Amino acid sequence: AQSVAQPEDQVNVAEGNPLTVKCTYSVSGNPYLFWYVQYPNRGLQFLLKYITGDNLVKGSYGFEAEFNKSQTSFHLKKPSALVSDSALYFCAVRANNNAGNMLTFGGGTRLMVKP
Amino acid sequence: DAEITQSPRHKITETGRQVTLACHQTWNHNNMFWYRQDLGHGLRLIHYSYGVQDTNKGEVSDGYSVSRSNTEDLPLTLESAASSQTSVYFCASSAYVGVGETQYFGPGTRLLVL
Repeated sequence: AQSVAQPEDQVNVAEGNPLTVKCTYSVSGNPYLFWYVQYPNRGLQFLLKYITGDNLVKGSYGFEAEFNKSQTSFHLKKPSALVSDSALYFCAVRANNNAGNMLTFGGGTRLMVKP
Repeated sequence: DAEITQSPRHKITETGRQVTLACHQTWNHNNMFWYRQDLGHGLRLIHYSYGVQDTNKGEVSDGYSVSRSNTEDLPLTLESAASSQTSVYFCASSAYVGVGETQYFGPGTRLLVL
């Protein structure tokens, strides 16, 4: 079975500082990894994904994520946080041997960026 | 612009009642999904469909059903609502079945079962 862990329920960072939201995964086979963001009272918005190739993936709104196979991690990063980045972030994984191509989501991490 | 919509956005119902949540997408996507979101659990898959007349059970399908009579719509029915089904429900769609395919989500329906 595939699973995703987001070890931090909440991450606090000051505006202008770099941010990291952690994600680790467990799958059998090659992983395909996704980050989504959810703003209050809204649906999930796609940020970025790792399929293959360069381990550093760049996405929307200045976010990037680094795939680390040895550590089974896919941490979300941004060099300089904005107050408007405050939201709920979800990591998700899909395995290439998953016949149903199902996404498995982590529990979410709330990012709070303070002015 | 193409989009995915859900209705109603908020619903209060009583235990034992049948409830149907609507999901409509204008992307002409083949695949549609229903998830529920609960604190600490992230999103969990309820049912999904890969095309007209196709439906499949997800991780938490008990007490829910779906039907797919056209490409655009995948209504979710709670046959006899229970308090444990109080949750936020999200519909999603994607164009094709593939490991790299991105799912796109609707705005959600907040359901309260009293």
